[in-house]
Parts: sequence; C-alpha cells; structure tokens
Amino acid sequence: EIVMTQSPATLSVSPGERATLSCRASQSVSTNLAWYQLRPGQAPRLLIYGASTRAADIPARFSGSGSGTEFTLTISSLQSEDFAVYYCQHYNHWPMWTFGQGTKVDIK
Amino acid sequence: QITLKESGPTLVKPTQTLTLTCNFSGFSLSTSAVGVGWIRQPPGKALEWLALIYWDDDKRYSPSLESRLTITKDTSKNQVVLTLTNMDPVDTGTYYCVHINMWVGSPDVWGRGTAVTVSS
Repeated sequence: EIVMTQSPATLSVSPGERATLSCRASQSVSTNLAWYQLRPGQAPRLLIYGASTRAADIPARFSGSGSGTEFTLTISSLQSEDFAVYYCQHYNHWPMWTFGQGTKVDIK
Repeated sequence: QITLKESGPTLVKPTQTLTLTCNFSGFSLSTSAVGVGWIRQPPGKALEWLALIYWDDDKRYSPSLESRLTITKDTSKNQVVLTLTNMDPVDTGTYYCVHINMWVGSPDVWGRGTAVTVSS
C-alpha cells in the first residue's frame, strides 16, 4: 500500500498570506494525485487533479505541483473560506487508492 | 449539475449489516467512463476508500474490507447501494458517495455524507 504523508498537520496563516501544503508518497504515483478541501457541513470539494490541473470552478489562487513522490498545494492569498482541512489522495492504481492524514489550515 | 445524496440508518448495532443508498442526478451510470464510489471518514481520522463501481459493472473493493463489502448499481433508478456486513464500532463515521469521471481519474463530485454510528 502506498502511504501518503502530509505536512504540516496544522498550518496557521493570516488572511491574505500564502499557504504551502506538502504531500509525500511512499513510492511514485506519477502525477496521479488529487487535492481535496473539506469544510464542516459541506460536501468535500476537488481542487486539483493530475497533480497540477485545477478542477472546474476552482479559483486561480489554488495551484498544485509535483510528480513522483513529492507534491505541493499552494494557496496564494488565503481567503476566509479557505480555512479548512486539505487532503491529498493518490489514484495511481486500484485497489490501493489512499489519502493523506490531512492538513488543517486555520486562522493565525 | 451532478449531485449525489447518501441515505441510510444513523445507528446500527454491532454484527448488523449496514445498507447505504446513493441517489444521484446529472449523469447516467450507463455512460462510458463514469463510476460511483464510497469513501468514509471515522471521527478524527483520515478518509478511506471503500468501493467503487463503473458504468460497465466493473467493481473494486478495499482489500482490507473486501470480504464485508458489496456494491451494486441500479441504472434505471440512478442509485448505487453499498452493504457492509458485520458492523463494528470502528466502522463508525461519515460515509460519502462520490462521482468518478475516468478522464479526471479521481472523484470530482461528492455528496455531503451520512453519519453512521455503531453501538449497542
């Protein structure tokens, strides 16, 4: 099973600042990597797939990069609605699609 | 617009079977390259894939839960049903239904989830 490790567990950021979230895979997943945003009471939202492609209707302040085992999600200027928990997930091959443990982005 | 909605019991007893239904709209599960899956999240823990079913009835299961899981589809009703047998308190959590577009690869639309508690 491919283990996905996210860091940091919690990121405290002021509104308007940049947030950088990391995700590491225990073995290469190529660019089969997605990022999701989870907010309480809301349906989870796909932000990025293919490691760097923004999903439909996702603001340009969200960007993804990386390939192989190292990935990054960057939020260029945090808005109030961006304070949430973010998960990376690989989908390199089934049946072992796995998620990271999540990074909580909270207000500094 | 694609929407998915999960439904099922909020409380089940240990050893019972959980049956969850996903009712969806905005797409057909008879369309090529489309799938529906289930993901869960125990309280305070990470998300976990359970199962998925594709338009051609190809089914995939989490290896650790495969013996307890069954996923089926009813294309005429726009429904996918997940059953999980022999429920245990560790199965407590929020269960999500998701849409998969194989061109995206990963779930692109999620339901809001349904909370399930396993307790006697």
